[in-house]
Amino acid sequence: DAGVTQSPTHLIKTRGQQVTLRCSPKSGHDTVSWYQQALGQGPQFIFQYYEEEERQRGNFPDRFSGHQFPNYSSELNVNALLLGDSALYLCASSLGTDFFSGANVLTFGAGSRLTVL
Amino acid sequence: AQRVTQPEKLLSVFKGAPVELKCNYSYSGSPELFWYVQYSRQRLQLLLRHISRESIKGFTADLNKGETSFHLKKPFAQEEDSAMYYCARTSNTGNQFYFGTGTSLTVIP
Repeated sequence: DAGVTQSPTHLIKTRGQQVTLRCSPKSGHDTVSWYQQALGQGPQFIFQYYEEEERQRGNFPDRFSGHQFPNYSSELNVNALLLGDSALYLCASSLGTDFFSGANVLTFGAGSRLTVL
Repeated sequence: AQRVTQPEKLLSVFKGAPVELKCNYSYSGSPELFWYVQYSRQRLQLLLRHISRESIKGFTADLNKGETSFHLKKPFAQEEDSAMYYCARTSNTGNQFYFGTGTSLTVIP
């Protein structure tokens, strides 16, 4: 099992452009969460997808959007890129039924490092 | 606001010495508490979680609801413990994690 896989690993964009990041969850997981990790900071929750719908959203503008496919993989889209969007974007998968049992453990991917120039 | 505070950005201890990484969380509901670790050139991974009350790699963490703390402790630090440690809590709905800013632990040989 390759665990959580993310692509691309690195990318460079310019301000105003759009970017799409992709994530395949760990085998057996059905829930995908996206986090943004700026340099020197902890991961910050962007949103979570479960059953192909956005289940919860963090404090991020509408420029950040996502999608989950029937095979549970997910995409994160960011429009109108700003310099401040430069960060490591982490995808984490989990099992949806574990939310309230305390067994809600996140399995992280290696991340996609986005640089906006 | 649901927050996690890790007051130490950097922490250095000698091999064999006790280590404690501090974590305080904002009181809101009944969150689940976790410690995640990131070793050099590896991805973020779970170290331990409060609900399991387990000891992983010699680390333990005690939840103190009165002080809203979840400090991570190990009696004898090893060089392989050098890593970035993040404390995290869940939201009241359980499906959102709030992470602290992390503590970089260096164990000096």
